Amino acid sequence: AQSVTQLDSQVPVFEEAPVELRCNYSSSVSVYLFWYVQYPNQGLQLLLKYLSGSTLVKGINGFEAEFNKSQTSFHLRKPSVHISDTAEYFCAVSEPPGGGNKLTFGTGTQLKVEL
Amino acid sequence: NAGVMQNPRHLVRRRGQEARLRCSPMKGHSHVYWYRQLPEEGLKFMVYLQKENIIDESGMPKERFSAEFPKEGPSILRIQQVVRGDSAAYFCASSPTGAHTEAFFGQGTRLTVV
Repeated sequence: AQSVTQLDSQVPVFEEAPVELRCNYSSSVSVYLFWYVQYPNQGLQLLLKYLSGSTLVKGINGFEAEFNKSQTSFHLRKPSVHISDTAEYFCAVSEPPGGGNKLTFGTGTQLKVEL
Repeated sequence: NAGVMQNPRHLVRRRGQEARLRCSPMKGHSHVYWYRQLPEEGLKFMVYLQKENIIDESGMPKERFSAEFPKEGPSILRIQQVVRGDSAAYFCASSPTGAHTEAFFGQGTRLTVV
């Protein structure tokens, strides 16, 4: 069974500061990894995904994430946040095709960007 | 190409009533997934359907919940005899294949049971 841990439920940060949102996963097989953003009362928007290849993945809105297999982590980073980045961020995993067709989500990290 | 459409966006039901949530996938998408987000929690998988077939319902509660994706029309998530604990946001996602790597989420239906 897979599981996803997002250690920080809330992360406050000042505008233009860097931020890292942590995600660790547990799985007995190789996985695909995703980060989604959810703005208030909205659906989920895909920020980026890791399927294979380069461990550094670049996404939309200036976000990037690095897959670390030995530490089973997929932390999300942005070098300089904007007030509009205030939202809930979810890390998720799924098994490659043939192993399942559902996402397992973490409990989310609320990013609050302050002036 | 419109995105994944869910309606209604907000639904209020009294305890014991039925709730019907609709999900129209993106054009060309024949795979639909339903997730539930309880307050202060992440999304939990409920069911995965392909046109006219339920492929995986391992996340569905054993009673009162059902889902369908007919040949024509939207996918429906049906909750009978709702209870307060059913209050949540329900999201669907659609994909042209069976992979979440190509899936898009709708904006969700927020169900409130009073």
